[in-house]
Amino acid sequence: EPEVTQTPSHQVTQMGQEVILRCVPISNHLYFYWYRQILGQKVEFLVSFYNNEISEKSEIFDDQFSVERPDGSNFTLKIRSTKLEDSAMYFCASSATGGGNQPQHFGDGTRLSIL
Amino acid sequence: GNSVTQMEGPVTLSEEAFLTINCTYTATGYPSLFWYVQYPGEGLQLLLKATKADDKGSNKGFEATYRKETTSFHLEKGSVQVSDSAVYFCALTLDTGRRALTFGSGTRLQVQP
Repeated sequence: EPEVTQTPSHQVTQMGQEVILRCVPISNHLYFYWYRQILGQKVEFLVSFYNNEISEKSEIFDDQFSVERPDGSNFTLKIRSTKLEDSAMYFCASSATGGGNQPQHFGDGTRLSIL
Repeated sequence: GNSVTQMEGPVTLSEEAFLTINCTYTATGYPSLFWYVQYPGEGLQLLLKATKADDKGSNKGFEATYRKETTSFHLEKGSVQVSDSAVYFCALTLDTGRRALTFGSGTRLQVQP
């Protein structure tokens, strides 16, 4: 069964450094998403992406965050200048269409630790 | 706004016991409802879904019925196994406007042999 893959599985970064999290969505999917889960808290939506542009974003997704689909397969989340509070598990997801009844398929996540 | 409320965990059961994990929601509009499961060290996997009132989603022996009158989507399984030990998340999305998933806080299930 096709799956969403994320790399790396664990990223340790110094505060203030830039970090890029990578995702390969399912190949025929058109909508892509990033979520995060701070330890012990809910899974929170960050951003969705369709047709090479952001379709919606949450209040968490401020100017420090950006997303890109640099080629036909990768979907990346960049944090420009990391803060301690960015430490979390980051999940990428994709769906075939953007309909609300379409399930989103998740990767195994990248654990980001900011020191 | 939209929100999902789940029962607090952990839920600890013996093998073959009956499972219920409660989930209620608040939504503007008509949501689709989902249960996701997260096994230790893994990502979120879709367990089941229901997209309109009175629909029943089912998978791997788990069931949940979309109850519009009580705004609920409780997860049930008749006989749990040790391998069902995981964290279960209830979630919703809307067909119009925001398509992002809104998650509950998750309920950890521990099944003992």
